[in-house]
Amino acid sequence: GENVEQHPSTLSVQEGDSAVIKCTYSDSASNYFPWYKQELGKGPQLIIDIRSNVGEKKDQRIAVTLNKTAKHFSLHITETQPEDSAVYFCAALYGKLTFGQGTILTVHP
Amino acid sequence: NAGVMQNPRHLVRRRGQEARLRCSPMKGHSHVYWYRQLPEEGLKFMVYLQKENIIDESGMPKERFSAEFPKEGPSILRIQQVVRGDSAAYFCASSPGVREQFFGPGTRLTVL
Repeated sequence: GENVEQHPSTLSVQEGDSAVIKCTYSDSASNYFPWYKQELGKGPQLIIDIRSNVGEKKDQRIAVTLNKTAKHFSLHITETQPEDSAVYFCAALYGKLTFGQGTILTVHP
Repeated sequence: NAGVMQNPRHLVRRRGQEARLRCSPMKGHSHVYWYRQLPEEGLKFMVYLQKENIIDESGMPKERFSAEFPKEGPSILRIQQVVRGDSAAYFCASSPGVREQFFGPGTRLTVL
């Protein structure tokens, strides 16, 4: 079935450090993998996505990598800032989005 | 270009009442998805609609829940005879096609 596992559930870093969040998916049928940032009391915001024909995509301080063989993808945030603190969700598209459980990222000033 | 609009933002209902949640997709988007987020949990798919059609309702509870996306007007998620377990944040997302989904701010339903 369609399942997405996300780790870690919480991540605490110092400002300026890098943060990495990893997800694995069970069904290779998915070809689209977005990442969302959700701040308290708000809706999820699409921050970056990757399609299965691409191994890596970068947008300023954010990058996503995809390993189709191993069925996992990762979010990399460099030079973290306090405003990066939020809950991050990975997802895989199977007609609809199947989400990971979320990672609470805290960036300490 | 306005984003996805949802209203109301907060809704309080007593057990047994009906809840109606509205979603206006982004301009030009004909695909609408509803997701539910329970406290301290991730987002769970409920239903996928295109104009006047339900495409996938595999995540909808079989009873009390219904959704529509009429030719004119917003998409509506309707919950009849609400129970305390229905308390959650309900998010709508819209898409121009079958990939990128953009979420609204959500409706937070509290059932007393």
